[in-house]
Amino acid sequence: TQLLEQSPQFLSIQEGENLTVYCNSSSVFSSLQWYRQEPGEGPVLLVTVVTGGEVKKLKRLTFQFGDARKDSSLHITAAQPGDTGLYLCAGNAGNNRKLIWGLGTSLAVNP
Amino acid sequence: KAGVTQTPRYLIKTRGQQVTLSCSPISGHRSVSWYQQTPGQGLQFLFEYFSETQRNKGNFPGRFSGRQFSNSRSEMNVSTLELGDSALYLCASSFGLAGGDDEQFFGPGTRLTVL
Repeated sequence: TQLLEQSPQFLSIQEGENLTVYCNSSSVFSSLQWYRQEPGEGPVLLVTVVTGGEVKKLKRLTFQFGDARKDSSLHITAAQPGDTGLYLCAGNAGNNRKLIWGLGTSLAVNP
Repeated sequence: KAGVTQTPRYLIKTRGQQVTLSCSPISGHRSVSWYQQTPGQGLQFLFEYFSETQRNKGNFPGRFSGRQFSNSRSEMNVSTLELGDSALYLCASSFGLAGGDDEQFFGPGTRLTVL
């Protein structure tokens, strides 16, 4: 059963554009993580959000955790080709090792 | 410091065979977790080993097994391979804090193709 829905599944944009990807669930999570995975590599942790309503910024990336801790969003400003990759969200229902993963948003930023 | 390494990177097997995958964690990390990644199911947790003991287990059949050695290196074995076992198998290491809040670091994965 897929408990974390990510949208859109695929996104292809031009360099300089802004974008938002979403991660939604009917379940409440104690925390939620965002990862980026590049071809031929494993996922790399970008951020962990813990508090409902929390907003975290990582350079051009802004992450928000929903007030009810059921959803999250990732906004990228002025996307660059180096942002290309698979963005995964993962919910922690009590143990960081048994995360619930979304299927990911595959982002392509064209120069 | 060196990252998580996995060997082999690519593997082709036929149905019914068995396979062993290896994972070397980051030095000092005692927890190794294994995941299966497929386009349709995403990442699914297989199991976690800590100090040579399986500490957590996902919902995979008994054909999937693992072990961890005293140096924290881990192996994963899949017996009687099925076509549906074709996937990217990722391992991740961490210090293995009891609360489960420590960051996991993933290896590049082993791409297994079952023909």
